Amino acid sequence: EPEVTQTPSHQVTQMGQEVILRCVPISNHLYFYWYRQILGQKVEFLVSFYNNEISEKSEIFDDQFSVERPDGSNFTLKIRSTKLEDSAMYFCASSRQGGRSNQPQHFGDGTRLSIL
Amino acid sequence: AQSVTQPDIHITVSEGASLELRCNYSYGATPYLFWYVQSPGQGLQLLLKYFSGDTLVQGIKGFEAEFKRSQSSFNLRKPSVHWSDAAEYFCAVGADTDKLIFGTGTRLQVFP
Repeated sequence: EPEVTQTPSHQVTQMGQEVILRCVPISNHLYFYWYRQILGQKVEFLVSFYNNEISEKSEIFDDQFSVERPDGSNFTLKIRSTKLEDSAMYFCASSRQGGRSNQPQHFGDGTRLSIL
Repeated sequence: AQSVTQPDIHITVSEGASLELRCNYSYGATPYLFWYVQSPGQGLQLLLKYFSGDTLVQGIKGFEAEFKRSQSSFNLRKPSVHWSDAAEYFCAVGADTDKLIFGTGTRLQVFP
């Protein structure tokens, strides 16, 4: 069964440094998402992406965050200047359709980001 | 605003016992509802989904869930739990737009 793959599985970065988290969505999916889960808290939506532009973003997704689909297969989340509070598990997801459709989102295994 | 409540933070059951995990949602229209499972160190795996139609939905690994509009609930059930079911379970609602709104999760522990 096709999977969403994320790399790396664990990223350790110094505060203030830039970090790029990478995701390869399922190949025939058109909608892409990033979520994060701070340790012990619920999974929170960050951003959705369709047709090479952001379709929705949360309050968390401020100017320090950006997303990009640099080629036909990768989907990346960049944090420009990391803060301690960015430490979390970041999940990428993809779906064939978005919005209120009957196509569920499929999640990767996540990247654990630790900011020192 | 849409929200999801999972009242039980932690549930412990014996292997072979039945299981019910509670989920209540707040949403103005007909919701799209999901249950995901997260094993330690793993991502979120979709167990089942409800979009419309039959209010009792079957999922993978022997799980089922029942949508009850009158109670705003979408509880997850399994008649006989296996040790491998120990994990964290998340209920989620599909909102008006693209995002999923998750509950805080229920951690299931299974004793032999």
